Amino acid sequence: NAGVTQTPKFRVLKTGQSMTLLCAQDMNHEYMYWYRQDPGMGLRLIHYSVGEGTTAKGEVPDGYNVSRLKKQNFLLGLESAAPSQTSVYFCASKREDLRYYGYTFGSGTRLTVV
Amino acid sequence: TQLLEQSPQFLSIQEGENLTVYCNSSSVFSSLQWYRQEPGEGPVLLVTVVTGGEVKKLKRLTFQFGDARKDSSLHITAAQPGDTGLYLCAPIRGHVNRDDKIIFGKGTRLHILP
Repeated sequence: NAGVTQTPKFRVLKTGQSMTLLCAQDMNHEYMYWYRQDPGMGLRLIHYSVGEGTTAKGEVPDGYNVSRLKKQNFLLGLESAAPSQTSVYFCASKREDLRYYGYTFGSGTRLTVV
Repeated sequence: TQLLEQSPQFLSIQEGENLTVYCNSSSVFSSLQWYRQEPGEGPVLLVTVVTGGEVKKLKRLTFQFGDARKDSSLHITAAQPGDTGLYLCAPIRGHVNRDDKIIFGKGTRLHILP
């Protein structure tokens, strides 16, 4: 099925460990986004990309890095995980015509940092 | 910084009842989207409203964009258990086809009791 695929779906990390979350889309979308969702805080934008090779900071970028080496993939890295990064992470993509198609989201990655 | 408020935060009602949830801001928007998020999944676009005063219907859901384009409401008639979920509003500040990112409200968590 076409859409946004996130891997892994679940992960438990120890404080200080590193990991990379992978987001892949097969819709040829230019724009891709990483959000985190925490109880009572809604969806907060971490980083985003408006095209291959470009990235930009969102609302809460500290502690995260991203790369967009290929148009279809957007990677989110945690270099040294902290308990405050325990969250559900969502990747999204969109085509140019946001009005009719909106964002397409993945099903999320639930990350726990102990 | 735009202030965006969704109310109520939580709503639990019986099947068959009607309800309205709200999205309010101090800023004027060019358009606004509503998404629904079910447990364990990413948000899915329901509708985009563009013109001040616009009303759109999606089966039992009625969306309205305020005349001043600062607020929006979602009315559900004869709620069903399948309407359970988190309803997010996402105002768009720039031109809807060129805005590179959107900020989501914290959402209204709706639970319909059978």
